[in-house]
Amino acid sequence: QLQLKESGPGLVKPSETLSLTCTVSGGSISSSSYYWGWIRQPPGKGLEWIGIIYYSGSTYYNPSLKSRVTISVDTSKNQFSLKLSSVTAADTAVYYCARHITGDYGDAFDIWGQGTMVTVSS
Amino acid sequence: SSELTQDPAVSVALGQTVRITCQGDSLRSYYATWYQQKPGQAPVLVIYGKNNRPSGIPDRFSGSSSGNTASLTITGAQAEDEAGYYCNSRDSSGNHVVFGGGTKVTVL
Repeated sequence: QLQLKESGPGLVKPSETLSLTCTVSGGSISSSSYYWGWIRQPPGKGLEWIGIIYYSGSTYYNPSLKSRVTISVDTSKNQFSLKLSSVTAADTAVYYCARHITGDYGDAFDIWGQGTMVTVSS
Repeated sequence: SSELTQDPAVSVALGQTVRITCQGDSLRSYYATWYQQKPGQAPVLVIYGKNNRPSGIPDRFSGSSSGNTASLTITGAQAEDEAGYYCNSRDSSGNHVVFGGGTKVTVL
């Protein structure tokens, strides 16, 4: 059974870079059928798409975050990562990683990690 | 602001039917996907594509679409269906993913 798990610091200082890793177990991140994505949710608010990556390294980012976001993949470790630079308090959120499927049926995030809370504060 | 619009909240009596809507121009071209999220938990996929349910999702959940509006219907709502529901799809460019603002469903 495929599982995803986020890891990384729970506290980041303003202006610094937030770094998270998602470890995929129970399946290969190199499958040609899937993308892998990051979604966040500020406390008490809705979901916000950050971006997705294919195992080959091709990426799509949320235009509102694109200047600060980098998503990368390490197929040897079955992991993909998120870096968000120049963070502010507005970046405080639960960050989820998820598997993204796409086809004639549209798009969906079908398997999610448990999420990890990241607080931006000095 | 989101390119997909949802009503913030809706209530339904136990056992009755509730429809949750998601509006956006991109829905004329792309299917909406629906997620259920309970407090403190990650979202769970409930409907994708025209009207597909992942394994384990009860058949009281169904999806439909007309024009720029997609709908998630819960037929015979149960207490455990009380949750937040989010739609998502592609944006108007087709190159990015967007989420609706979410609808809080209360089962009375």
